[in-house]
Amino acid sequence: AQRVTQPEKLLSVFKGAPVELKCNYSYSGSPELFWYVQYSRQRLQLLLRHISRESIKGFTADLNKGETSFHLKKPFAQEEDSAMYYCALADSWGKLQFGAGTQVVVTP
Amino acid sequence: GAGVSQSPSNKVTEKGKDVELRCDPISGHTALYWYRQSLGQGLEFLIYFQGNSAPDKSGLPSDRFSAERTGGSVSTLTIQRTQQEDSAVYLCASSFPRTGGGYTFGSGTRLTVV
Repeated sequence: AQRVTQPEKLLSVFKGAPVELKCNYSYSGSPELFWYVQYSRQRLQLLLRHISRESIKGFTADLNKGETSFHLKKPFAQEEDSAMYYCALADSWGKLQFGAGTQVVVTP
Repeated sequence: GAGVSQSPSNKVTEKGKDVELRCDPISGHTALYWYRQSLGQGLEFLIYFQGNSAPDKSGLPSDRFSAERTGGSVSTLTIQRTQQEDSAVYLCASSFPRTGGGYTFGSGTRLTVV
């Protein structure tokens, strides 16, 4: 069965500290994984996708098929990174299944 | 349009009434999705339309929920005989086919059933 797990509901970090949001998945096929972000009072938006291998706003995420993980990382957190982050897995039809989300709070 | 448009942005309804939520996807996006976002439940898939194919209704929580998409564009999500547990933010998203999850989301409709 397809499943996305984000074990942390809340992650509180200091500005300038590294931040890592964990995401594990289970999927029988070849996974397509995404991170979506929702800033306060804004709509949900795509942050990055594993297939692009890009860095957006300083964030990177590497797909580790052996550990079935797609953790999101940033070496130096900024206050504007405070938001809700969702890991998501697309099936072969493009339908997304989301994790429960991790609320990130960056304090000065 | 420039983005995915949803209306109304807020809806308060009495328990037992029917409601209709509207989604206007990005022009040219043939794939359209409805999700529900509620406290403690995260983002829950409801229904998926792709072109002229039969919709994937596997996420609809009960037969009180239905959705249609007219002319391959605008979609309406209908909830009949609303219950308090239907209170949530209903999100619509659209994409080109087979973009593999790269959705554009609307700002949602916040439904409150009193």
